[in-house]
Amino acid sequence: NAGVTQTPKFRVLKTGQSMTLLCAQDMNHEYMYWYRQDPGMGLRLIHYSVGEGTTAKGEVPDGYNVSRLKKQNFLLGLESAAPSQTSVYFCASSYSQKSGTGYQETQYFGPGTRLLVL
Amino acid sequence: QKEVEQDPGPLSVPEGAIVSLNCTYSNSAFQYFMWYRQYSRKGPELLMYTYSSGNKEDGRFTAQVDKSSKYISLFIRDSQPSDSATYLCAMTYMNRDDKIIFGKGTRLHILP
Repeated sequence: NAGVTQTPKFRVLKTGQSMTLLCAQDMNHEYMYWYRQDPGMGLRLIHYSVGEGTTAKGEVPDGYNVSRLKKQNFLLGLESAAPSQTSVYFCASSYSQKSGTGYQETQYFGPGTRLLVL
Repeated sequence: QKEVEQDPGPLSVPEGAIVSLNCTYSNSAFQYFMWYRQYSRKGPELLMYTYSSGNKEDGRFTAQVDKSSKYISLFIRDSQPSDSATYLCAMTYMNRDDKIIFGKGTRLHILP
C-alpha cells in the first residue's frame, strides 16, 4: 500500500495563477481532509469530505475549492493564488472504529506539498 | 482561551533522558486524545491515542490523560536522537463526524 500520496511535492506560483493539488489514498477510507501548516499556526483544516461526491468547509476555506469525484482522490484547487497561500499543504484520510461509547478516528497524512506564491 | 495549548519549544534534552511533552485544553467534552510525531519535511504520523482518562504505554512511550485538570502528557523514556521531531497533540469528541483539533506542536531535539 502506498498510503496517502500527494502531487506535486513542491510548486512555485505567481500571484493570480491557478493550480490543483492532488491527493490519492489506496486504503478505501471514506473521509479525506486538506490542511495547511504554517509556522506558529499549527495545522488548520481547509476542506474535508465524508465520502465520494461530498465536500464541506473547514476552518480556513476562503480562496480554495475542492472536489471528490472518486473515493480515492481529493483535489484542492487555488483559482487565483495569493502570497498568503504560501504554505505546506497536507492531505489526510481516515477510518473510524467503535471505541468505548463513541468512535475512534485514525488519520493518515500524506508527505505534503510545499507551495510558494510570489 | 484557545481550545488546545501546546508549548512550541524547542525543547533540547540529552540522549537517554526522560522527555515530558504536554498539552492543556479548555473543552471538557473531548474524549479521544492523540499524539502525532512529525519529522522535518514529512507529514504527521499517529504515535499514540487514548480514550478518556488514564495511561497508555507503548514501548518507550507513555501517554497520560488527566481530564480533571484538562491536561495530557507524552513521556519518552531513554530518548534517542531519532526521537528528534515535532510532536503534536490532538483531540476530538465522541461522534463520528467530529473534527480533530490539533495543538501547534512542540519541537524536540535529542542531543547525542
